[in-house]
Amino acid sequence: ETGVTQTPRHLVMGMTNKKSLKCEQHLGHNAMYWYKQSAKKPLELMFVYNFKEQTENNSVPSRFSPECPNSSHLFLHLHTLQPEDSALYLCASSQTSDEQYFGPGTRLTVT
Amino acid sequence: RKEVEQDPGPFNVPEGATVAFNCTYSNSASQSFFWYRQDCRKEPKLLMSVYSSGNEDGRFTAQLNRASQYISLLIRDSKLSDSATYLCAVNTPYSGAGSYQLTFGKGTKLSVIP
Repeated sequence: ETGVTQTPRHLVMGMTNKKSLKCEQHLGHNAMYWYKQSAKKPLELMFVYNFKEQTENNSVPSRFSPECPNSSHLFLHLHTLQPEDSALYLCASSQTSDEQYFGPGTRLTVT
Repeated sequence: RKEVEQDPGPFNVPEGATVAFNCTYSNSASQSFFWYRQDCRKEPKLLMSVYSSGNEDGRFTAQLNRASQYISLLIRDSKLSDSATYLCAVNTPYSGAGSYQLTFGKGTKLSVIP
């Protein structure tokens, strides 16, 4: 499936590194999302973008910085992360508030 | 009361069995409802939407009960490949007039046993 793509699929980074996660949707949707899913925990919504404007930030630490240059691309910039930030980071897109379609995720390990 | 609640399970059922999951939601203004399936270490994938009149897709049936504020998913003739975590998602209003956001439940784990 090529609806929502994410890169990289796996990432190992040290606590002092800076890296970025990329998401691209090919569905013509106007909303994009970042979720965090830790082991054996539910999905945690991090950020919401509607028409490139951030409309939700669920008290996410500033070491996570989103960027949405257009309605098809979404980035998550990471810096000075903590080991507890290790998780699966999922990107999703939707048309307004309809059903969301997820990318395959980036499995992040912070060492 | 949490916005969207599911029994985490696990539900361990034999092949061929019928199994049902419920998902309750707290906001009566919720408008859209969905079931997702998530395999281990994979992303959630949309299984089906839930309509007021019910929705059936092969062995899967989804229903909505607005009065009691819950949705259900029924799986008939369970297959080994049905083993996964099933997430319900509810479109709930949030800050801003007319703004809705999809809220996910924690998921119910199903294991179909040979």
